[in-house]
Amino acid sequence: GAGVSQSPSNKVTEKGKDVELRCDPISGHTALYWYRQSLGQGLEFLIYFQGNSAPDKSGLPSDRFSAERTGGSVSTLTIQRTQQEDSAVYLCASSKDAYNEQFFGPGTRLTVL
Amino acid sequence: GQQLNQSPQSMFIQEGEDVSMNCTSSSIFNTWLWYKQEPGEGPVLLIALYKAGELTSNGRLTAQFGITRKDSFLNISASIPSDVGIYFCAGHVIQGAQKLVFGQGTRLTINP
Repeated sequence: GAGVSQSPSNKVTEKGKDVELRCDPISGHTALYWYRQSLGQGLEFLIYFQGNSAPDKSGLPSDRFSAERTGGSVSTLTIQRTQQEDSAVYLCASSKDAYNEQFFGPGTRLTVL
Repeated sequence: GQQLNQSPQSMFIQEGEDVSMNCTSSSIFNTWLWYKQEPGEGPVLLIALYKAGELTSNGRLTAQFGITRKDSFLNISASIPSDVGIYFCAGHVIQGAQKLVFGQGTRLTINP
């Protein structure tokens, strides 16, 4: 079946603009995660959604970052007033539930000029 | 916050050689996972470890969950060109959220 998909694959934006990144999880997966990967680094947790529970936002680096998950499926990560330090690959993952393997999408490479 | 220290950062080896990499932490982890990432792709799970002392193999890959719950290693035997990539350790902390904490990665390059 289809894996986790993310769009766009690449996004170039100007400093100060807002961006939206989309994640389509594997169908039926109740848990969805967003991570950020800076150049040459490991992945940094941003936010986690599980079913209808309140999301764990503990990894969001500032209030310019927010995420939604509509209908328990698709998720959008929004970065307002982008800064150059926001440049990174943003990865989405989903799992059957909170205790199962996380499957990753290919990521969105964000470049802020 | 929790951090995983992964070493080495990079390895340059000849095809056929064995490879070893490890991760350590100052925190106790509930699970240890090893992922491989290739260019333009997300990480793919290679091995998952759930019990202290557990030793698990997946083909030419072997990984162990340290008895103290604060470390893990991954070995790759008889390396082949398709083993090239970045290997990450990751884990769930005890009493933590379901988020994964990742190491910095080991970049493996193989000379044919």
